[in-house]
Amino acid sequence: EVQLLESGGALVQPGGSLRLSCAASGLTLSRSDMAWVRQAPGKGLEWVSLIRTSGDETHYADSVKGRFTISRDTAKNTLSLQMNGLKAEDTAVYYCAKDRGGGYYDFDQWGQGTLVTVSS
Amino acid sequence: EIVLTQSPVTLSLSPGERATLSCRASQSVSSYLAWYQQKPGQAPRLLIYDASNRAAGIPPRFSGSGSGTDFTLTISSLEPEDFVLYYCQQGRSWPLTFGGGTKVEI
Repeated sequence: EVQLLESGGALVQPGGSLRLSCAASGLTLSRSDMAWVRQAPGKGLEWVSLIRTSGDETHYADSVKGRFTISRDTAKNTLSLQMNGLKAEDTAVYYCAKDRGGGYYDFDQWGQGTLVTVSS
Repeated sequence: EIVLTQSPVTLSLSPGERATLSCRASQSVSSYLAWYQQKPGQAPRLLIYDASNRAAGIPPRFSGSGSGTDFTLTISSLEPEDFVLYYCQQGRSWPLTFGGGTKVEI
């Protein structure tokens, strides 16, 4: 059974940094494209970032480009999201999600999410 | 950026009725559209991929159709657990985008 478990969410001040992690079991992360998707309180879903299996190709939403960095640790089988320059509008539950692998992008496995709150 | 517009925002129906949810794209996404269900406090669950293919374990009362810019998610006969939120998502081009969601309520 595939399980994704996010961690690292916290209360952080505007301008601060945070690193989220997503640990996988039953799945080798390096064999799948992986993404972060967020959901602000009471709002809809917003795709944040994706890393391809190669690890060399990454994509970001304009709202986080230049501030967030997605990466993968093959040895630890974890996905990470380094978030710098945090803003109030980054407040959300952050989900890691596995791409289904069908050639284009949709997500068939999700973690339970971790809450990031940006506030002074 | 491809904008996905879901309608209606809220759909009020009764158990046993048929639900028809719409997702319209601002430009063609071919058939690269997915539908997700989200229950309160839970992560989204993939229902439909490539516009019309049910994901593993999804009951046959859920079906998807459409291509290009107009897509439909149909729930043939609503069960009590189906009264939750639904989102569409396009996987055709960057940035990946989601629709604003449709809430199916009793």
